[in-house]
Amino acid sequence: QKEVEQNSGPLSVPEGAIASLNCTYSDRGSQSFFWYRQYSGKSPELIMFIYSNGDKEDGRFTAQLNKASQYVSLLIRDSQPSDSATYLCAVRNDYKLSFGAGTTVTVRA
Amino acid sequence: ETGVTQTPRHLVMGMTNKKSLKCEQHLGHNAMYWYKQSAKKPLELMFVYSLEERVENNSVPSRFSPECPNSSHLFLHLHTLQPEDSALYLCASSQVGQGTKNIQYFGAGTRLSVL
Repeated sequence: QKEVEQNSGPLSVPEGAIASLNCTYSDRGSQSFFWYRQYSGKSPELIMFIYSNGDKEDGRFTAQLNKASQYVSLLIRDSQPSDSATYLCAVRNDYKLSFGAGTTVTVRA
Repeated sequence: ETGVTQTPRHLVMGMTNKKSLKCEQHLGHNAMYWYKQSAKKPLELMFVYSLEERVENNSVPSRFSPECPNSSHLFLHLHTLQPEDSALYLCASSQVGQGTKNIQYFGAGTRLSVL
C-alpha cells in the first residue's frame, strides 16, 4: 500500500469552477499535512498546511482534513488558468515528509 | 525565491564523471533534505540531515554521497552514475523540533542528465 495516494488526473475544469483534489494516507500517526503546487519544470511551492480536523481557508484555497478517515483534500475556488499545475499532497511523520504522485490540474479558459 | 539556492540548475555528465550538487539555505533552518524526482513518480526522499547529522539514508546507491558541513550547506557528490539516475534533484530545508511545523521549502532543483 502506498503511503500517500492521490488521483493522478488529469483533472480538467473550466475557468471559474471549483477544482477538488483528494488525498488519502496510510499512517495514522501522521502529524501534519501539506499541499504543494508544482509547475512544469519547476520546484514544489507550498500552498497550504493543515494539522487539525476540519477546514482551513486561505484565499481561493480550502484544505480539509479528516484524520478518522485518513483523508485530506484541497478545493480551489474560482479556478484560473494560472492554477494549471500538478498538486502534491504531503504527509508528515516526525521530520519525514511522504509525497503522493500528484494530481495534474488543467484549467480551461 | 524560497531562500534555498541550488547550483547548478542543469548538469549533463557522462557515466565516468564526478560532479557535485550544492544547496545553500538562508532561512536559519536546522534540517536539510535531498529528494529525487523522476517523471510520473512521487518525490523520493534520499537523505536527511538534522542538526548536521545524517538521520536518514533511504537505501540510496553508494554512487550518491551526501555531505553537510554546516547547517546552511548541503552537497550531493555524484560518481559513476547510470542513465536511470537522470532526474530532477531537489534540496529542501525546514526547522525541526518540538513545537515546529517542519514546513519544507524547496530549492529550484538541479536537472541532471546522465549520458
